[in-house]
Amino acid sequence: KNEVEQSPQNLTAQEGEFITINCSYSVGISALHWLQQHPGGGIVSLFMLSSGKKKHGRLIATINIQEKHSSLHITASHPRDSAVYICAVRGINTDKLIFGTGTRLQVFP
Amino acid sequence: DTGVSQNPRHKITKRGQNVTFRCDPISEHNRLYWYRQTLGQGPEFLTYFQNEAQLEKSRLLSDRFSAERPKGSFSTLEIQRTEQGDSAMYLCASSLLGPITPGYTFGSGTRLTVV
Repeated sequence: KNEVEQSPQNLTAQEGEFITINCSYSVGISALHWLQQHPGGGIVSLFMLSSGKKKHGRLIATINIQEKHSSLHITASHPRDSAVYICAVRGINTDKLIFGTGTRLQVFP
Repeated sequence: DTGVSQNPRHKITKRGQNVTFRCDPISEHNRLYWYRQTLGQGPEFLTYFQNEAQLEKSRLLSDRFSAERPKGSFSTLEIQRTEQGDSAMYLCASSLLGPITPGYTFGSGTRLTVV
């Protein structure tokens, strides 16, 4: 079993829909990242969380440390949001990130 | 500063050849990380440096792999005697102090194909 699990693996949506991507992890963490990866490989950091909730534009990320769960929400989705969204955690006493396998999102007009 | 730069973007090599990749981090970042990503998977940790010191290595980093950061600035990742299983995207990232602090930035990666 992977230490970081994401669901769903694939997600399709119509433009304007509200999107939720979930991440569960099984290790103790000091921080959780949500990342966006477009075709071609480039990875962009969206959020880094250690508690609570963060918002940036149409993106919202939440984390529940007790339940070892995080969600990424996209409001009013747009075709340009189409990408792979990856959850990654930093363990305690280590500086490396452990990644989930990603959620491939396609938003159609 | 244009972010984390990786070269080359693509590399095709024959099995058994040696390859070397370069990563130039954001200039003020003291930590540099290498990850490997195979198709359909999330990146896997390979190694990381603080300045010129290599602080942690994954068991994925076999004796055919070596990474250096000689002056605490750019880093190189060398793969000797490449195998088809080495085909992957090799990602570099840099940060200040550690990924818990703002400024954890990834490069665009080097895609390696071993034929």
